[in-house]
Amino acid sequence: DGGITQSPKYLFRKEGQNVTLSCEQNLNHDAMYWYRQDPGQGLRLIYYSQIVNDFQKGDIAEGYSVSREKKESFPLTVTSAQKNPTAFYLCASARTGSTGELFFGEGSRLTVL
Amino acid sequence: AQSVSQHNHHVILSEAASLELGCNYSYGGTVNLFWYVQYPGQHLQLLLKYFSGDPLVKGIKGFEAEFIKSKFSFNLRKPSVQWSDTAEYFCAVNGDNDMRFGAGTRLTVKP
Repeated sequence: DGGITQSPKYLFRKEGQNVTLSCEQNLNHDAMYWYRQDPGQGLRLIYYSQIVNDFQKGDIAEGYSVSREKKESFPLTVTSAQKNPTAFYLCASARTGSTGELFFGEGSRLTVL
Repeated sequence: AQSVSQHNHHVILSEAASLELGCNYSYGGTVNLFWYVQYPGQHLQLLLKYFSGDPLVKGIKGFEAEFIKSKFSFNLRKPSVQWSDTAEYFCAVNGDNDMRFGAGTRLTVKP
């Protein structure tokens, strides 16, 4: 089945540790996105990538890093510099040059203790 | 960068009442507009979308939205809500493959 797979679903980390969230898609989509969802704040764009080996900062990129070495993969690293990392993280993808409709993964909930 | 504003944070309606949720955006170029819904405990799903043509678009479950270019608005409407419409609704704007979402409106429908 085509889709987007995020892992892990739940993750606990101690303060000061970096953590990497995985996002893989087999939809052959060019564009991929990372959002953070917090209650009352909707989905806020962290990073997005329109093609391999290229990505752009979103509105809240500070304390996060990404890479796009393969079309299918867009991992997000939450670094120790992120001041409030506990959140629900959503990965999405879309075909570029189309309507831009996003397809979402199931999300990863990160809790920093 | 573009931004999206949703005017209502929480809307409470009785069944059969009419619904209108506001959405305004700021972006200088051509945009594609979307409404997504998130039912309790579930993932985001697409309600409807606008790319071009007729500014009144119809989506699933009886929802519709009207794009008013001069007002930079894309309000969501439903003539008669049901208890099952209780959910959070997100407006989204895609200008240059940088899809941005509003803060969301929580709709509670009382039976």
